[in-house]
Amino acid sequence: RKEVEQDPGPFNVPEGATVAFNCTYSNSASQSFFWYRQDCRKEPKLLMSVYSSGNEDGRFTAQLNRASQYISLLIRDSKLSDSATYLCVVENTDKLIFGTGTRLQVFP
Amino acid sequence: GAVVSQHPSWVICKSGTSVKIECRSLDFQATTMFWYRQFPKQSLMLMATSNEGSKATYEQGVEKDKFLINHASLTLSTLTVTSAHPEDSSFYICSAEREGPDEQYFGPGTRLTVT
Repeated sequence: RKEVEQDPGPFNVPEGATVAFNCTYSNSASQSFFWYRQDCRKEPKLLMSVYSSGNEDGRFTAQLNRASQYISLLIRDSKLSDSATYLCVVENTDKLIFGTGTRLQVFP
Repeated sequence: GAVVSQHPSWVICKSGTSVKIECRSLDFQATTMFWYRQFPKQSLMLMATSNEGSKATYEQGVEKDKFLINHASLTLSTLTVTSAHPEDSSFYICSAEREGPDEQYFGPGTRLTVT
């Protein structure tokens, strides 16, 4: 079983739609959680950290459920510029473990 | 924000040759840097953790004699792919850890193609 699992997608949504991505992780001792965004042939960039209390940054909301070992990312009012691959990332013993990513394509 | 550079951004080499990739933290000192590899449509996989002034720590399955890492200063780590083969063709990304927030900042990556 992979340490971090994500649905690879692609998710094709129209502009303005709300889309949610899910991620599960296998190591219950994982310490920190993140969502990264990666554009084609580019390095990943930190989108937001994920906290147990949930956190929101503009149109993006992240949730963490430690009991279920489950992380989510909600994107509201999707923009064309949101098209990218979203990587769920878990930190274990000071190492980042990346999921394979979920590809989002927003169309006009 | 913190800036990490990589050089070269892309390289094409012949099978059997060695390629050196540099990773620099431009505006902060990084005791720890990380090297990742990403094959098409796959996730980033950590290859090794590079510590300034000491030997790198390699992940399971990564050959330390093939992927030589040198972290000679607090702003520079190098990865040398020795005797490269076509299956080494990949996107190599480094990151540098900034102390305090202990956040990793990623370089722009190096695309290696071995013919």
